[in-house]
Order: sequence, then structure tokens, then C-alpha cells
Amino acid sequence: EAAVTQSPRNKVAVTGGKVTLSCNQTNNHNNMYWYRQDTGHGLRLIHYSYGAGSTEKGDIPDGYKASRPSQENFSLILELATPSQTSVYFCASGELGPLYEQYFGPGTRLTVL
Amino acid sequence: GDSVTQTEGPVTVSESESLIINCTYSATSIAYPNLFWYVRYPGEGLQLLLKVITAGQKGSSRGFEATYNKETTSFHLQKASVQESDSAVYYCALGEMATGGNNKLTFGQGTVLSVIP
Repeated sequence: EAAVTQSPRNKVAVTGGKVTLSCNQTNNHNNMYWYRQDTGHGLRLIHYSYGAGSTEKGDIPDGYKASRPSQENFSLILELATPSQTSVYFCASGELGPLYEQYFGPGTRLTVL
Repeated sequence: GDSVTQTEGPVTVSESESLIINCTYSATSIAYPNLFWYVRYPGEGLQLLLKVITAGQKGSSRGFEATYNKETTSFHLQKASVQESDSAVYYCALGEMATGGNNKLTFGQGTVLSVIP
């Protein structure tokens, strides 16, 4: 069974502070993704990775950095958090191929005050 | 760019009634888009409900079904008789094999479904 976990599940941060969201997958998938979900919007891709050491910009990368130190771990970093980054963040892993599927973590609810 | 639009929620349905959640897409940069429905139950991550990669084909899972209609650019989700356990958020998504193979997905805004017992 595919397994993607995220930590923390809930986070309250202050404006200007640094926030790190962590994601771990035991699927041995090469690709990993970070999305955010806001009311009225679908999931929007922030960063993704093809494998350890790789990070790529998604559709809305501004204000975010990503780190992929290993096959299993993919972090999303907010160096200077702002209230506009209050959202629910989802991590996913997946493989290449025409029948690909992305496996999602349970989400992290981030509130920036 | 590519986009997905689905039924505005929340949708409230009584148990055993039928359900349809509309999904239409615009795939301006993809010649052969793949279409997906994902579902998110309370407290859990999104999980794949069904997928169809060929126009004209129907996908089905857990009593849900959706037909990939290229002419109307639609992929509506239907179920003949819903159960309380179907209460969740449903997301329609469009997929492509993007340059570099990142398998990018474009999601609709999600539709909250509440099934009343």
C-alpha cells in the first residue's frame, strides 16, 4: 500500500518566520510534488522533484523553496512566511508512465498570523 | 493554459439518490489529455477514484463512473445510488506527460459532497 506522510499536520507560524513542511514516502517513487489547496481553487503545484537532489518550479513557486535530500524525503520551505501563504499543503509521490497515479499525503494546515 | 471546472459545491444529496458532479476541461496544450477523478475523505489525503486515458471510454470504481467525452470536453462523475460513506471532496483532474516527464496534473476546485442518511 502506497504511503505518504506529512509533518506537521497543523502549524501556526508568525509573519516573517521560517517554516519547513516535511514529506516522506515509502513507495520508492522517483517523482514527488508539493501542492497547495485554497478555497475555490483546485490544488496548485508549487514545486516538484524527479529524484534525490532535484527540485523544479511548479506553477506557483514564488515565496517557496524545496529540498529533496533523498528518494524518500521532500521538504517545502517558506523562508519568510506571509499571511497569504495560509493554506492546506499536500505532498504527493508518483511514477512516470501513461497510467501514472499520484499518491497523496493527508495534508498540512498552515496558518500564518 | 489548461483548466478544469467542476460543479460548485457544496452538494447535498439524500442517501440512495443519484448523483452527478459535472466536470469540463480545456486542454489547450495537450493533444491527448488523461482524465482523473480523485476523492478526499475527511482527515485523509486525496486518493485516485478512477481514470480514463482514451476518449470515448468509461471508467468506473466503487459504483462511480465517468465517461471521457472529447466532443463536449467533459468528464462528469455519476453514481446511481449514493451512500453516507460517499461524503467527501471530489476533484476532477487533467493530466499530461509534460516535458521532462513530471506527469503534471491540473485540478478542478473540488466539490464537497454531503450525503444525508
